[in-house]
Amino acid sequence: SQTIHQWPATLVQPVGSPLSLECTVEGTSNPNLYWYRQAAGRGLQLLFYSVGIGQISSEVPQNLSASRPQDRQFILSSKKLLLSDSGFYLCAWSVGGDTQYFGPGTRLTVL
Amino acid sequence: GENVEQHPSTLSVQEGDSAVIKCTYSDSASNYFPWYKQELGKGPQLIIDIRSNVGEKKDQRIAVTLNKTAKHFSLHITETQPEDSAVYFCAATPSSGSARQLTFGSGTQLTVLP
Repeated sequence: SQTIHQWPATLVQPVGSPLSLECTVEGTSNPNLYWYRQAAGRGLQLLFYSVGIGQISSEVPQNLSASRPQDRQFILSSKKLLLSDSGFYLCAWSVGGDTQYFGPGTRLTVL
Repeated sequence: GENVEQHPSTLSVQEGDSAVIKCTYSDSASNYFPWYKQELGKGPQLIIDIRSNVGEKKDQRIAVTLNKTAKHFSLHITETQPEDSAVYFCAATPSSGSARQLTFGSGTQLTVLP
């Protein structure tokens, strides 16, 4: 069966510091991968998606970037965090462009 | 692009009663409509989905209905239990593209009172 992992689970970072969040998927090949952000009490906003290694599509221009160095690994990064980057970051996967399955999320607090 | 509106934003029901959450979408090309349940501090979990070639789908106490003409779909939970308390999100996506880009509603906080 497929499993999706995200780490770290929680993170507290100062403004201006770098960021690296990692997502890995097990039990499937060539998945589509997605990064979402969820602000407190709000819905989910798609940030990036990837259909293959090195292929990244950005949905919202911002302070963040994404990379996919391996088939089942998706990384969300920032060079300098802003207060507005705080939120709950969710990774998701799908196969064949169909149903998306979410990971457990990373709670990021920027102080 | 797609726009999904979800109502109500909060819903309280007595244990054993039914709960209904409604969503409308704007893009007539949308043909896949999943529903997710999110418990506090966790990632959303898919609970049921429906495709545009089907009008209704049931899974035990959960059902989803779709009206393509009116562009709305609803989640029905019968015989609610305290463990149904969570935030529920609807979503919609068109068929085009190799990676479906889900557009989510704003969520409904469901509270089941014992």
